[in-house]
Amino acid sequence: EPEVTQTPSHQVTQMGQEVILRCVPISNHLYFYWYRQILGQKVEFLVSFYNNEISEKSEIFDDQFSVERPDGSNFTLKIRSTKLEDSAMYFCASSSGSQETQYFGPGTRLLVL
Amino acid sequence: GDSVTQMEGPVTLSEEAFLTINCTYTATGYPSLFWYVQYPGEGLQLLLKATKADDKGSNKGFEATYRKETTSFHLEKGSVQVSDSAVYFCALPDYGGSQGNLIFGKGTKLSVKP
Repeated sequence: EPEVTQTPSHQVTQMGQEVILRCVPISNHLYFYWYRQILGQKVEFLVSFYNNEISEKSEIFDDQFSVERPDGSNFTLKIRSTKLEDSAMYFCASSSGSQETQYFGPGTRLLVL
Repeated sequence: GDSVTQMEGPVTLSEEAFLTINCTYTATGYPSLFWYVQYPGEGLQLLLKATKADDKGSNKGFEATYRKETTSFHLEKGSVQVSDSAVYFCALPDYGGSQGNLIFGKGTKLSVKP
Protein backbone atom coordinates (compact mmCIF):
# COMPACT_ATOMS: atom_id res chain seq x y z
CA GLU A 1 0.00 0.00 0.00
CA PRO A 2 1.47 3.40 -0.92
CA GLU A 3 2.43 5.60 1.99
CA VAL A 4 3.78 9.01 2.81
CA THR A 5 7.38 8.98 4.00
CA GLN A 6 9.28 11.63 5.93
CA THR A 7 12.94 12.22 6.70
CA PRO A 8 14.60 12.57 9.06
CA SER A 9 12.61 10.88 11.80
CA HIS A 10 14.36 13.03 14.40
CA GLN A 11 16.25 16.29 14.09
CA VAL A 12 18.07 18.22 16.79
CA THR A 13 19.21 21.74 15.97
CA GLN A 14 20.46 24.86 17.64
CA MET A 15 18.25 27.93 17.91
CA GLY A 16 18.72 30.20 14.90
CA GLN A 17 19.73 27.41 12.55
CA GLU A 18 17.88 26.51 9.38
CA VAL A 19 16.22 23.13 9.07
CA ILE A 20 14.64 21.38 6.12
CA LEU A 21 12.13 18.64 6.70
CA ARG A 22 11.49 16.33 3.81
CA CYS A 23 8.43 14.42 2.70
CA VAL A 24 7.65 12.10 -0.17
CA PRO A 25 3.88 12.15 -0.71
CA ILE A 26 1.93 9.32 -2.28
CA SER A 27 2.88 9.36 -5.94
CA ASN A 28 -0.44 10.18 -7.62
CA HIS A 29 -1.52 12.72 -5.02
CA LEU A 30 -1.77 16.38 -5.93
CA TYR A 31 -2.48 18.11 -2.63
CA PHE A 32 0.13 18.37 0.07
CA TYR A 33 -0.01 19.56 3.66
CA TRP A 34 2.16 20.23 6.66
CA TYR A 35 0.84 20.01 10.22
CA ARG A 36 2.61 20.21 13.53
CA GLN A 37 1.97 18.85 16.99
CA ILE A 38 3.66 20.45 19.97
CA LEU A 39 4.21 17.87 22.67
CA GLY A 40 0.97 17.12 24.50
CA GLN A 41 -1.10 19.41 22.32
CA LYS A 42 -3.37 18.94 19.36
CA VAL A 43 -2.36 18.67 15.75
CA GLU A 44 -2.38 22.07 14.02
CA PHE A 45 -2.54 22.90 10.33
CA LEU A 46 0.39 24.86 8.93
CA VAL A 47 0.07 25.02 5.15
CA SER A 48 -1.45 23.38 2.10
CA PHE A 49 0.11 23.26 -1.35
CA TYR A 50 -1.31 22.58 -4.79
CA ASN A 51 -0.16 23.18 -8.32
CA ASN A 52 3.23 24.41 -7.12
CA GLU A 53 1.91 27.12 -4.88
CA ILE A 54 0.59 27.64 -1.38
CA SER A 55 -3.19 27.38 -1.21
CA GLU A 56 -3.80 28.05 2.45
CA LYS A 57 -1.65 28.84 5.43
CA SER A 58 -2.36 29.31 9.09
CA GLU A 59 -1.16 32.17 11.23
CA ILE A 60 1.53 29.85 12.57
CA PHE A 61 3.10 29.77 9.11
CA ASP A 62 4.97 33.06 9.25
CA ASP A 63 7.88 34.36 7.20
CA GLN A 64 10.27 31.93 8.88
CA PHE A 65 8.53 29.04 7.13
CA SER A 66 8.56 28.10 3.48
CA VAL A 67 7.55 25.08 1.43
CA GLU A 68 8.78 23.78 -1.86
CA ARG A 69 8.28 20.93 -4.25
CA PRO A 70 11.77 20.83 -5.72
CA ASP A 71 11.10 17.87 -8.00
CA GLY A 72 8.33 15.46 -8.89
CA SER A 73 8.47 13.51 -5.68
CA ASN A 74 9.67 15.57 -2.72
CA PHE A 75 7.83 18.18 -0.68
CA THR A 76 9.87 20.16 1.84
CA LEU A 77 9.25 22.43 4.80
CA LYS A 78 12.02 24.88 5.62
CA ILE A 79 12.30 26.80 8.85
CA ARG A 80 14.75 29.60 8.21
CA SER A 81 15.80 30.49 11.74
CA THR A 82 14.51 28.05 14.31
CA LYS A 83 13.15 29.13 17.67
CA LEU A 84 12.72 27.08 20.81
CA GLU A 85 8.97 27.08 20.30
CA ASP A 86 9.37 25.38 16.91
CA SER A 87 10.12 22.17 18.77
CA ALA A 88 7.33 19.83 17.74
CA MET A 89 6.42 16.81 15.65
CA TYR A 90 5.90 17.86 12.05
CA PHE A 91 3.59 15.78 9.89
CA CYS A 92 3.33 15.80 6.14
CA ALA A 93 0.11 14.65 4.49
CA SER A 94 -1.14 14.23 0.96
CA SER A 95 -4.45 13.63 -0.79
CA SER A 96 -5.65 12.94 -4.31
CA GLY A 97 -8.21 15.73 -4.19
CA SER A 98 -9.03 18.70 -2.03
CA GLN A 99 -12.03 16.90 -0.55
CA GLU A 100 -10.35 13.50 -0.34
CA THR A 101 -8.86 11.69 2.63
CA GLN A 102 -5.48 12.95 3.77
CA TYR A 103 -2.81 10.36 4.44
CA PHE A 104 -0.14 11.24 6.95
CA GLY A 105 3.52 10.42 7.18
CA PRO A 106 5.15 9.16 10.38
CA GLY A 107 6.38 12.63 11.31
CA THR A 108 9.69 14.32 12.03
CA ARG A 109 10.37 15.16 15.64
CA LEU A 110 12.21 18.47 15.74
CA LEU A 111 14.00 19.59 18.87
CA VAL A 112 15.41 23.11 19.00
CA LEU A 113 17.98 23.71 21.72
CA GLY B 1 -15.62 28.77 12.47
CA ASP B 2 -15.66 25.03 12.23
CA SER B 3 -14.47 23.16 15.27
CA VAL B 4 -14.21 19.78 16.94
CA THR B 5 -14.79 19.12 20.62
CA GLN B 6 -13.46 15.87 21.89
CA MET B 7 -13.78 14.10 25.20
CA GLU B 8 -10.88 14.90 27.48
CA GLY B 9 -8.64 12.09 28.52
CA PRO B 10 -6.88 10.17 29.63
CA VAL B 11 -9.14 7.16 29.54
CA THR B 12 -7.97 4.01 31.30
CA LEU B 13 -9.81 0.75 30.72
CA SER B 14 -9.29 -2.91 31.41
CA GLU B 15 -8.92 -5.29 28.52
CA GLU B 16 -12.26 -6.33 26.98
CA ALA B 17 -14.04 -3.26 28.34
CA PHE B 18 -16.38 -1.18 26.20
CA LEU B 19 -14.97 2.06 24.85
CA THR B 20 -16.70 5.30 23.93
CA ILE B 21 -14.83 8.47 23.04
CA ASN B 22 -17.16 11.37 22.43
CA CYS B 23 -16.72 13.82 19.58
CA THR B 24 -19.02 16.67 18.59
CA TYR B 25 -18.49 19.18 15.86
CA THR B 26 -19.67 22.50 14.54
CA ALA B 27 -19.45 23.01 10.82
CA THR B 28 -20.96 24.73 7.85
CA GLY B 29 -22.70 22.11 5.81
CA TYR B 30 -22.08 18.40 6.17
CA PRO B 31 -18.38 17.64 6.09
CA SER B 32 -16.76 14.23 6.09
CA LEU B 33 -15.72 13.16 9.57
CA PHE B 34 -12.61 11.24 10.55
CA TRP B 35 -11.01 9.42 13.42
CA TYR B 36 -7.23 9.25 13.37
CA VAL B 37 -5.11 7.19 15.76
CA GLN B 38 -1.58 7.81 16.94
CA TYR B 39 0.16 4.81 18.50
CA PRO B 40 3.06 5.51 20.87
CA GLY B 41 6.05 6.86 18.97
CA GLU B 42 4.28 6.80 15.62
CA GLY B 43 2.51 9.18 13.28
CA LEU B 44 -1.16 9.66 12.55
CA GLN B 45 -3.08 6.88 10.90
CA LEU B 46 -6.56 7.11 9.51
CA LEU B 47 -8.73 4.80 11.60
CA LEU B 48 -12.11 5.33 9.99
CA LYS B 49 -14.24 7.90 8.27
CA ALA B 50 -17.83 8.71 7.32
CA THR B 51 -18.77 10.97 4.45
CA LYS B 52 -22.45 11.69 5.04
CA ALA B 53 -25.15 11.64 7.68
CA ASP B 54 -26.04 8.22 9.11
CA ASP B 55 -22.94 6.65 7.58
CA LYS B 56 -21.09 4.29 9.88
CA GLY B 57 -17.33 4.11 9.56
CA SER B 58 -15.67 0.98 10.88
CA ASN B 59 -12.21 -0.52 11.10
CA LYS B 60 -10.34 -2.88 13.45
CA GLY B 61 -13.47 -3.33 15.58
CA PHE B 62 -13.97 0.41 16.01
CA GLU B 63 -17.13 2.11 14.82
CA ALA B 64 -18.44 5.65 14.60
CA THR B 65 -21.76 6.86 13.22
CA TYR B 66 -22.21 10.28 11.65
CA ARG B 67 -25.15 11.80 13.56
CA LYS B 68 -26.35 14.99 11.93
CA GLU B 69 -29.10 15.62 14.48
CA THR B 70 -26.66 15.64 17.40
CA THR B 71 -23.61 16.79 15.38
CA SER B 72 -21.66 13.90 16.83
CA PHE B 73 -19.26 11.21 15.69
CA HIS B 74 -18.56 9.16 18.80
CA LEU B 75 -15.97 6.40 18.56
CA GLU B 76 -16.89 3.00 20.03
CA LYS B 77 -15.37 -0.41 20.42
CA GLY B 78 -17.04 -3.31 22.11
CA SER B 79 -13.96 -4.97 23.57
CA VAL B 80 -10.67 -3.11 23.75
CA GLN B 81 -7.25 -4.72 23.71
CA VAL B 82 -3.94 -3.62 25.17
CA SER B 83 -2.79 -2.93 21.61
CA ASP B 84 -5.50 -0.25 21.28
CA SER B 85 -3.59 1.98 23.68
CA ALA B 86 -3.02 5.15 21.69
CA VAL B 87 -4.19 8.72 21.25
CA TYR B 88 -7.37 9.12 19.21
CA PHE B 89 -8.17 12.29 17.27
CA CYS B 90 -11.49 13.31 15.83
CA ALA B 91 -11.16 15.57 12.77
CA LEU B 92 -13.07 17.30 10.01
CA PRO B 93 -12.05 19.30 6.95
CA ASP B 94 -12.11 23.07 7.19
CA TYR B 95 -14.13 23.80 4.09
CA GLY B 96 -13.90 27.47 4.91
CA GLY B 97 -10.47 27.16 3.37
CA SER B 98 -10.02 26.15 -0.24
CA GLN B 99 -8.53 22.77 0.38
CA GLY B 100 -10.22 21.28 3.35
CA ASN B 101 -7.24 21.27 5.66
CA LEU B 102 -8.12 19.22 8.70
CA ILE B 103 -9.24 20.57 12.04
CA PHE B 104 -8.38 18.20 14.85
CA GLY B 105 -9.77 17.73 18.31
CA LYS B 106 -7.35 17.80 21.23
CA GLY B 107 -6.98 14.05 21.25
CA THR B 108 -7.99 11.44 23.81
CA LYS B 109 -5.32 9.21 25.23
CA LEU B 110 -6.51 5.66 25.82
CA SER B 111 -4.62 3.25 28.06
CA VAL B 112 -5.79 -0.34 28.18
CA LYS B 113 -4.56 -2.46 31.08
CA PRO B 114 -4.28 -6.24 30.87
